[in-house]
Amino acid sequence: KNEVEQSPQNLTAQEGEFITINCSYSVGISALHWLQQHPGGGIVSLFMLSSGKKKHGRLIATINIQEKHSSLHITASHPRDSAVYICAVQGAQKLVFGQGTRLTINP
Amino acid sequence: GAVVSQHPSRVICKSGTSVKIECRSLDFQATTMFWYRQFPKQSLMLMATSNEGSKATYEQGVEKDKFLINHASLTLSTLTVTSAHPEDSSFYICSARGGQEVSFGNTIYFGEGSWLTVV
Repeated sequence: KNEVEQSPQNLTAQEGEFITINCSYSVGISALHWLQQHPGGGIVSLFMLSSGKKKHGRLIATINIQEKHSSLHITASHPRDSAVYICAVQGAQKLVFGQGTRLTINP
Repeated sequence: GAVVSQHPSRVICKSGTSVKIECRSLDFQATTMFWYRQFPKQSLMLMATSNEGSKATYEQGVEKDKFLINHASLTLSTLTVTSAHPEDSSFYICSARGGQEVSFGNTIYFGEGSWLTVV
């Protein structure tokens, strides 16, 4: 079993829909990262969480430390949100990555 | 905000040659830098961790003589793929962690990655 599990692996939705991507982990962490990777490969760090909830524009990230679970939400989704979203948990030193969720938003 | 710059973003090299990829932290001093490799449609795989001024720590299965990592300063780490082969073609990403500045603290920042094609 992977230390970091993301679901779903693939998600296709219509423009405007509310999107939720989930991340569960089994190890102790100091922080959790949500990353966005576009087709060109470049990675953008969306959030770093150690507790609670963060919001940036249409993106919301939450984490429940007791349940070892985090969610990334996208409100009013747009085709430009199409990308791979990666959850990564940070231990004492390293990051452990989830497999990624490929999101496609159709116009 | 903090920026980690990778160069080049794309490189094509001939089999048998060596190629160097640079990773720079632009707004902060990176005490630790990480190098990852990503195969198509797979997750990022940590190759090595480098701390400024000391030898890199390689993950199991990563050949240290093939993937030379140098972290000579607090703002620059380099990955050199030596005697490159077509199977080394991949997407290489660096990330950096600030250590000194309070505002950057423990946050890890990612470079935009470098596509290596070995022909």
